[in-house]
Amino acid sequence: QQQVKQSPQSLIVQKGGISIINCAYENTAFDYFPWYQQFPGKGPALLIAIRPDVSEKKEGRFTISFNKSAKQFSLHIMDSQPGDSATYFCAVSFSGSARQLTFGSGTQLTVLP
Amino acid sequence: KAGVTQTPRYLIKTRGQQVTLSCSPISGHRSVSWYQQTPGQGLQFLFEYFSETQRNKGNFPGRFSGRQFSNSRSEMNVSTLELGDSALYLCASTAAGASYEQYFGPGTRLTVT
Repeated sequence: QQQVKQSPQSLIVQKGGISIINCAYENTAFDYFPWYQQFPGKGPALLIAIRPDVSEKKEGRFTISFNKSAKQFSLHIMDSQPGDSATYFCAVSFSGSARQLTFGSGTQLTVLP
Repeated sequence: KAGVTQTPRYLIKTRGQQVTLSCSPISGHRSVSWYQQTPGQGLQFLFEYFSETQRNKGNFPGRFSGRQFSNSRSEMNVSTLELGDSALYLCASTAAGASYEQYFGPGTRLTVT
């Protein structure tokens, strides 16, 4: 059973554009929703995370939008830059349990110069 | 602070052999989680250790095991290697308490021939 569905699988955006990646989850008990960025040959790096008590969180050019009723959350990258070209993963976790993340399948983002 | 370190970075083993991978968490972090990353299955949770105790385990066969030492350093072991064990093995550390932020190391690339 796929607990987190991520889309799109790949995304091509022009420099300066907005990149949007979506995730949908099944279990309403999840209450921690991070996004990770991974460059080739590197481990995933935590970008931004949100708890379900807020609908939006912004850090620099990165924003998480959270829709609890729809069980969806998304990552928006404003003013996308070629250096943002990487694979992005959403993840979910239960706050009451051990530190176990369940990841989406990843989105390969390419920002064209 | 130094980040999460993993050794070795690359490893080539033969089917049937066993392998031990090492992870040193960020100083002060007491929780260490292990993940396997493959093109086909994505990022999958293996297990998590906290205060030298396994707190949670993913859906992997018993050939995969781990341990944590009193200084929070962790090792994972895979016995009787199979071709399908070829993957990037990632370690992530988390501070104790209410933090759920997991910080990943660069990973160990294991190739089984």
